Amino acid sequence: GQNIDQPTEMTATEGAIVQINCTYQTSGFNGLFWYQQHAGEAPTFLSYNVLDGLEEKGRFSSFLSRSKGYSYLLLKELQMKDSASYLCAVRDSNYQLIWGAGTKLIIKP
Amino acid sequence: IAGITQAPTSQILAAGRRMTLRCTQDMRHNAMYWYRQDLGLGLRLIHYSNTAGTTGKGEVPDGYSVSRANTDDFPLTLASAVPSQTSVYFCASSGLAGGPDTQYFGPGTRLTVL
Repeated sequence: GQNIDQPTEMTATEGAIVQINCTYQTSGFNGLFWYQQHAGEAPTFLSYNVLDGLEEKGRFSSFLSRSKGYSYLLLKELQMKDSASYLCAVRDSNYQLIWGAGTKLIIKP
Repeated sequence: IAGITQAPTSQILAAGRRMTLRCTQDMRHNAMYWYRQDLGLGLRLIHYSNTAGTTGKGEVPDGYSVSRANTDDFPLTLASAVPSQTSVYFCASSGLAGGPDTQYFGPGTRLTVL
């Protein structure tokens, strides 16, 4: 079966750095996405990786290793507004997105 | 309209009733999707449409139907609602069914079936 694993919840301090891991087992691979979802709101796109390596976008970076079935989202200089759930999704061989359950990130002052 | 809109925002429905959730996008995206999101579970695909006039079944299609008469609209119908269909429903769209195009989500419909 297809499976996306992420930690359920993480806590970090304002101004610090946090890394959210995602491991996947899917039928085929056509890219990995990270989305941010604030409570009661819709998911919004953060990053896309299809090749191995690091993609940097401001305070957010995303890393992919296809051979290990592994990705992480790195958030730097954490702000209170970064408190949200972070969703990892993999596009499979049918070009459908398979979603992880999300990681709830709690930022403490 | 800017982006994707969904209606209603929330709804309480008696079991056995028929309900249609509406979704409209103005981005001229080819592909559209319906997901449900339940606590502790990832988004699960109900139905999708790669282009107007075509639809396909996702991971959890039972009890739901869709139509795609034009590019902009993708309604989701619950023929006879059951309590297990209590969930938050998100509609999404993307420019292409494949490739790097991301999916953009509507604000969601919170549905409670009693």
